[in-house]
Amino acid sequence: DARVTQTPRHKVTEMGQEVTMRCQPILGHNTVFWYRQTMMQGLELLAYFRNRAPLDDSGMPKDRFSAEMPDATLATLKIQPSEPRDSAVYFCASDRGDEKLFFGSGTQLSVL
Amino acid sequence: SQQGEEDPQALSIQEGENATMNCSYKTSINNLQWYRQNSGRGLVHLILIRSNEREKHSGRLRVTLDTSKKSSSLLITASRAADTASYFCATVSVMDSSYKLIFGSGTRLLVRP
Repeated sequence: DARVTQTPRHKVTEMGQEVTMRCQPILGHNTVFWYRQTMMQGLELLAYFRNRAPLDDSGMPKDRFSAEMPDATLATLKIQPSEPRDSAVYFCASDRGDEKLFFGSGTQLSVL
Repeated sequence: SQQGEEDPQALSIQEGENATMNCSYKTSINNLQWYRQNSGRGLVHLILIRSNEREKHSGRLRVTLDTSKKSSSLLITASRAADTASYFCATVSVMDSSYKLIFGSGTRLLVRP
């Protein structure tokens, strides 16, 4: 059963620490999205890639966030340094170019 | 920024009743999708309706789209307790061969047994 895999599922860290979240998209999917979900802001699009190339990262705070796809099986989202306001659930999603997203289970991040 | 706004924010119904959720959006779209999210899980795609379609069915789901009013509705017929979840609309705009999905604020549906 093909699925998007995200690690870790939960992360608790202290303010100022670096956080790396990983995502393995479904094999054959060429578009990868990163979303952040909070109660206040809902689902926010942070960045997305097609064929590993970044298409849009305008939703991401550039000074501390970075997103990359080192290869077709791995997407990463890094926060350095992390802040308490970054606490949220971060979702990765992928699709095969047909605009129907498959979501991972998310990484719940708590920054103390 | 959110494109879609959903109404109501929360809905509580009895099992067997129908549930209707509405989504309004602001800009031109290529298609509109509905997703479901169970507590603590990722979103699951339910149905997609294109801008040139007015109505679409999938099992107990019926989606309508009115591009003149920039609105869509999701109807779940004969609801079940297992339908309890949050439901989100997502608008898709295509620009320069790329696209992005912008999600609404969601409707929390509670189906009482």
